[in-house]
Amino acid sequence: SQQGEEDPQALSIQEGENATMNCSYKTSINNLQWYRQNSGRGLVHLILIRSNEREKHSGRLRVTLDTSKKSSSLLITASRAADTASYFCATAPSTGGGNKLTFGTGTQLKVEL
Amino acid sequence: KAGVTQTPRYLIKTRGQQVTLSCSPISGHRSVSWYQQTPGQGLQFLFEYFSETQRNKGNFPGRFSGRQFSNSRSEMNVSTLELGDSALYLCASSFGTSGGWGDTQYFGPGTRLTVL
Repeated sequence: SQQGEEDPQALSIQEGENATMNCSYKTSINNLQWYRQNSGRGLVHLILIRSNEREKHSGRLRVTLDTSKKSSSLLITASRAADTASYFCATAPSTGGGNKLTFGTGTQLKVEL
Repeated sequence: KAGVTQTPRYLIKTRGQQVTLSCSPISGHRSVSWYQQTPGQGLQFLFEYFSETQRNKGNFPGRFSGRQFSNSRSEMNVSTLELGDSALYLCASSFGTSGGWGDTQYFGPGTRLTVL
């Protein structure tokens, strides 16, 4: 079963606008990761934020993490048509070890020209 | 470095058959994980192998099994296929350490399995 919910489920914006997607999860985590998936292909890792971090940047990506609310957000600035994809958050639990990631439901982003 | 490769890319089987999917991780990566992706259930963790041992297991029936070889390549097997097993099966690798925890995963392109 999936741990988290992402919202919105779908988002349509114009090129150049910012896109924000949110992720909520249920249990304690070691870290939270964001992945992108194009048209049912493999996932591409975007960014990882650890449980003791509050904000992280990578290029046009900004991720925040609020462990008290068990939520995270991904902001993509100045969106491009090539950003059109599905975006998933994934959590690594704080206990158990290994690489058992639990994925959210995903947000489908469409960036129109 | 070459990425994660999965074979075959597409597969059509009938109910009751069994199937074996293969995954070659990035060179030097010792952890291999498998995920099932369906429109209804989304991305679900199947199992993880590290140094030829199953380190984590998801909530799937015993029909789903896997193994890892000494060169870190991994296979997963699904026996007695059901219609509901139709899905995209994704393999992911990471460098992995014995104490590794939530490493960045590098995914392959997936194997699209259709069960008729």
